[in-house]
Amino acid sequence: TQLLEQSPQFLSIQEGENLTVYCNSSSVFSSLQWYRQEPGEGPVLLVTVVTGGEVKKLKRLTFQFGDARKDSSLHITAAQPGDTGLYLCAGVMFSGGYNKLIFGAGTRLAVHP
Amino acid sequence: SQTIHQWPATLVQPVGSPLSLECTVEGTSNPNLYWYRQAAGRGLQLLFYSVGIGQISSEVPQNLSASRPQDRQFILSSKKLLLSDSGFYLCAWSNGRRGYTFGSGTRLTVV
Repeated sequence: TQLLEQSPQFLSIQEGENLTVYCNSSSVFSSLQWYRQEPGEGPVLLVTVVTGGEVKKLKRLTFQFGDARKDSSLHITAAQPGDTGLYLCAGVMFSGGYNKLIFGAGTRLAVHP
Repeated sequence: SQTIHQWPATLVQPVGSPLSLECTVEGTSNPNLYWYRQAAGRGLQLLFYSVGIGQISSEVPQNLSASRPQDRQFILSSKKLLLSDSGFYLCAWSNGRRGYTFGSGTRLTVV
């Protein structure tokens, strides 16, 4: 079972539409990160949210950390074909003496022109 | 600036053959280093992490091992590959203050 559940798994939309991706867990995280991954490449960090209720904006992307630090969402406004990719959320959890980064399974987004 | 190099990019190996994937980091010292494996639909699974030379922790029992012979070098190995070892292997580093920086990955196919 995944510690972090991402939904939806797949999303296919038209250019200009808005979308929201969710990342949920029953565990509390000290912080949560969002990554974007292109095929055949490693994930690239988009943002880190640390405080419960925190909202961060990155151009058309808005990231929110839940008040209880168990969940997060990514909202994209007016999606563009360049937003296509795999979006991964990852929670930071202190375990075994160090900070572990636990990944969700990802949301694969396809934006069609 | 910090960079991370991972090679090879793709690898096709027969069952039972050995494996050695190498990862090196430049521009930082004493990084935390990680090996992840990514399978379709399951996100990234942490395999090994290292906080220093010779210090390796394993997250899941498996057919693989890791070593850190130098501060900025992390190696993933296997003595005998299994079909189930196929996947996309990613090396990453962090200094604890920012998110992880990943290498470009190695696509391993065991045939």
